[in-house]
Formats: sequence, structure tokens, C-alpha cells
Amino acid sequence: NAGVTQTPKFQVLKTGQSMTLQCAQDMNHNSMYWYRQDPGMGLRLIYYSASEGTTDKGEVPNGYNVSRLNKREFSLRLESAAPSQTSVYFCASSQGGSNQPQHFGDGTRLSIL
Amino acid sequence: GENVEQHPSTLSVQEGDSAVIKCTYSDSASNYFPWYKQELGKGPQLIIDIRSNVGEKKDQRIAVTLNKTAKHFSLHITETQPEDSAVYFCAARSEDSSYKLIFGSGTRLLVRP
Repeated sequence: NAGVTQTPKFQVLKTGQSMTLQCAQDMNHNSMYWYRQDPGMGLRLIYYSASEGTTDKGEVPNGYNVSRLNKREFSLRLESAAPSQTSVYFCASSQGGSNQPQHFGDGTRLSIL
Repeated sequence: GENVEQHPSTLSVQEGDSAVIKCTYSDSASNYFPWYKQELGKGPQLIIDIRSNVGEKKDQRIAVTLNKTAKHFSLHITETQPEDSAVYFCAARSEDSSYKLIFGSGTRLLVRP
């Protein structure tokens, strides 16, 4: 029972490099989300996809792009990584609609030097 | 937009004592309030949630209370055990942005054996 799977688990990049973080869910959920978690700041929403074929900006979208590849997969891309993007990135999914809980993956720990 | 404040940032209790974590929110339209537990190296896991039409909800040793007038909600853990040690996050979601959760900054709970 995998739930939400994120790859890779760890990554180190140099400033200016690009990278795509992958996320897949096997719960047939409609909605998917990308968050970043920084010390003392909780989780902040980067982008979300309410349903297959749609994406919208969250609180902190600058420097990121997303692709909802199909119902299962939602990727996050850093085109030109910056040290300020060093963080732990979490993907989540939910059935969608009001008051449905979100289920999280175990995160990707990204360091940008 | 919605803002969620969470207190305390750290909490240390003796095993068997109770722990209380409090959150306040700013948007009176918020109608869904989940609590997540995050263990080291893992993603947040939903432990309990409450909707705005309910004042209290219990699940074994965990309870959540909601005061809509004061715009605050609290997590109560009774008979704490060492395995309750983790970081706990509250969150709120508004009626007019049903796909977005706004998270508090987290509480690190330590249960001393």
C-alpha cells in the first residue's frame, strides 16, 4: 500500500542546475499538491492541481513549474536552482472537494550549493 | 488570506501527563481543521480533523476542540507516551479556497519517560 511516493529522497544541486521532483499516488485521488517545509515555517503550498489537466499557484510559486502528467503523477521542476530553494519538498494528494484530507509522501530533501 | 498561528513551538511533558497545542486562524470562512503528526524523516500524517459544524471530536487519547467565535482550535493528547514525541501541525482551510490548506508553524512535543 504505497500511498504517495516521491523520488528522489535526497538530492544535492549546484546553483543554476535544473531538476525535476517526481510524485505519484496510487489512491485514485483527483487533487495533488506540492509543499516546501523550512525550519520554523510549517508547510507552504507551492502549486496544486485540483484535477487532471489543471494547475494553480499556491503561496510560494516563484522559481518553480509543475506538470500534472496524468491522474497519478504530479512533478515539480526547478529550472535554475537557487540556494533559497534548499528545503524539504512534500507532495500530497486528496480526493478533492471540500473537507477531504490530504495524504503526504515522505519528502525530498534538496540542498542547493 | 488565511493565517494560522500555533503555540507553543516546543512542549515537554512527563509520560502520562496531558499535552495541549493551540492554534488560532484569521479567516472566519474557514471550515475544516486537520491536525498532522510528523515523525523524523517522514511526511506529515493526519491524526484527527474537525469540521466547522462540530465543537469537539475524540479518537482514543486524542481530541480536538473548536471555538468558531474565538477562531481557535486545540489538540489535546491525554496519557502521553514516548511514541507521541513528534512535531504536530495544525491547518485550516477556507470555504472559498477548498483545495488549499494553510499550516501553522508546528509544535515539537517531547514526552519524557
